[in-house]
Amino acid sequence: DGGITQSPKYLFRKEGQNVTLSCEQNLNHDAMYWYRQDPGQGLRLIYYSQIVNDFQKGDIAEGYSVSREKKESFPLTVTSAQKNPTAFYLCASSIVSGTAGEQFFGPGTRLTVL
Amino acid sequence: QKEVEQDPGPLSVPEGAIVSLNCTYSNSAFQYFMWYRQYSRKGPELLMYTYSSGNKEDGRFTAQVDKSSKYISLFIRDSQPSDSATYLCAMSGNAGNMLTFGGGTRLMVKP
Repeated sequence: DGGITQSPKYLFRKEGQNVTLSCEQNLNHDAMYWYRQDPGQGLRLIYYSQIVNDFQKGDIAEGYSVSREKKESFPLTVTSAQKNPTAFYLCASSIVSGTAGEQFFGPGTRLTVL
Repeated sequence: QKEVEQDPGPLSVPEGAIVSLNCTYSNSAFQYFMWYRQYSRKGPELLMYTYSSGNKEDGRFTAQVDKSSKYISLFIRDSQPSDSATYLCAMSGNAGNMLTFGGGTRLMVKP
């Protein structure tokens, strides 16, 4: 059953803590993305990766970090430098070349700062 | 001004109504247009995809693109309560480009 999985579904963070959100895909897609969704603001791109061991900053990368050591995995770390991390985080993947870039999304992780 | 504008709603309609959801955009380089449906607390799912201008129909859903007006629409016929969700438009330029999303329109279909 192909798809994108994200874990955990809910995550709580204390002030000053780093937390890592998991994203795994078995669609054999080259590109993976992380978005943040806040009420009324749509999706904002945090980081993306089009190939293993390479990634680029999106529009709101400050306070976040990523790695892409395997094609299937693209974890996102929310660091203590991110001042307002409470949001819904979405991971997506797509084929890179020869397509419009249709992206397929995981179920999301809701992060709350305590 | 945002690159892609979408009325946030909420849009409330009775069951069976025809729904029209719209996005306007400013970047004339956009050629690929998508509609995503997102249920509450879930990830968006790709609903419709169109290239350049024209119409595309899939069951009760019709996507329409007017590049001359920089305007895209999604029509839902015979709307059902299960259509209640947030609908996001997305678009990109050349193949493989990043997607630019609208802010989403929340639709409520009342039985």
